[in-house]
Amino acid sequence: GAGVSQSPSNKVTEKGKDVELRCDPISGHTALYWYRQSLGQGLEFLIYFQGNSAPDKSGLPSDRFSAERTGGSVSTLTIQRTQQEDSAVYLCASSFSGSDQPQHFGDGTRLSIL
Amino acid sequence: QKEVEQNSGPLSVPEGAIASLNCTYSDRGSQSFFWYRQYSGKSPELIMSIYSNGDKEDGRFTAQLNKASQYVSLLIRDSQPSDSATYLCAVNSNTGGFKTIFGAGTRLFVKA
Repeated sequence: GAGVSQSPSNKVTEKGKDVELRCDPISGHTALYWYRQSLGQGLEFLIYFQGNSAPDKSGLPSDRFSAERTGGSVSTLTIQRTQQEDSAVYLCASSFSGSDQPQHFGDGTRLSIL
Repeated sequence: QKEVEQNSGPLSVPEGAIASLNCTYSDRGSQSFFWYRQYSGKSPELIMSIYSNGDKEDGRFTAQLNKASQYVSLLIRDSQPSDSATYLCAVNSNTGGFKTIFGAGTRLFVKA
């Protein structure tokens, strides 16, 4: 499809395990964003990529969280040693260039930590 | 002061009425403004972008921007029960980096 694609759509894992979430942005979009949304809450900004570089990592909640983007396209968000408070929906969005352009969101990955 | 503020609601309007959603922002240098709609359990979807002072209309939706007052609003005419959702205001910010700041959203409930 032509939209932002995220996988997996759902992930259930045990506390302490590592998880990797994937985002495939709209073709041609140079900017990519990761957000977290807990139940009934607003969007929590995690990280922003422009191309392969991450000029803004200010939202990553701890050093257990990391993200990379290769080839200016696909991005992965990795959470190490997961905790129950990491349970949330992780949303990825992309835009044509920077924050002056609208973002288009994927369907998200619902992460549940047991 | 939050960078982007919205009334959390819920805002309840009868079917057919005009729903008015408001948003204020703190960064005077902001140039790009967006409204997103988020249904429960779904991801946000873009409704409108607005970049210049004044009104911008798209179907039943009108976005209004007043940069002097640092205020952006969304009007929904002839509201339908299917418009019931959370509406997110987003503003680009040049302060501390070039990024988009989302408000916490206003829950809208349209009564049939």
